[in-house]
Amino acid sequence: NAGVMQNPRHLVRRRGQEARLRCSPMKGHSHVYWYRQLPEEGLKFMVYLQKENIIDESGMPKERFSAEFPKEGPSILRIQQVVRGDSAAYFCASSPRPTGGSRDTQYFGPGTRLTVL
Amino acid sequence: DAKTTQPNSMESNEEEPVHLPCNHSTISGTDYIHWYRQLPSQGPEYVIHGLTSNVNNRMASLAIAEDRKSSTLILHRATLRDAAVYYCIPSGSARQLTFGSGTQLTVLP
Repeated sequence: NAGVMQNPRHLVRRRGQEARLRCSPMKGHSHVYWYRQLPEEGLKFMVYLQKENIIDESGMPKERFSAEFPKEGPSILRIQQVVRGDSAAYFCASSPRPTGGSRDTQYFGPGTRLTVL
Repeated sequence: DAKTTQPNSMESNEEEPVHLPCNHSTISGTDYIHWYRQLPSQGPEYVIHGLTSNVNNRMASLAIAEDRKSSTLILHRATLRDAAVYYCIPSGSARQLTFGSGTQLTVLP
């Protein structure tokens, strides 16, 4: 059973361009979580999605960031008009059931390292 | 969600046991205690979790205090590959994981 896959692993964008980060959850997992880790900082939750639905986007910046998890295909985190402050590692995780208040764990991908020039 | 307190850093010699403490005095009665670790340049990795009883798996042991206000992750024989940041995370009511600053474990050869 393949783990959580993320691509690309490294992404370089110039200021103002768009960045698209993809996450394929583990087989059988319909819950996806995105986290961001800024340089020298901890991981911060961004958004939680279930197939075709955004459940919690309380950690998403209000502008330029969006996420989706379509019925078919990977989850996408999209950053429009990137700025230098968006440079970070973006991790996605998946779970078979909703986590929180439970024994279920999240399985993380290797991350996408975004560099904005 | 419960707040956690962990030492910023710890050192261990290779092949010796390591005890990583975590205080979570505001944990609720139904929160599980999860431990994850993040190796350099990798995504977080699940280590172990428990509710009330001590737990063992192939990676580590988890000792939970009787009042559940603290727990200790035990690596029985640290190896160089165990060098990582270790996070203690009560499950809480929210779906997402709330990562604190964790403990940076350095393993000395």
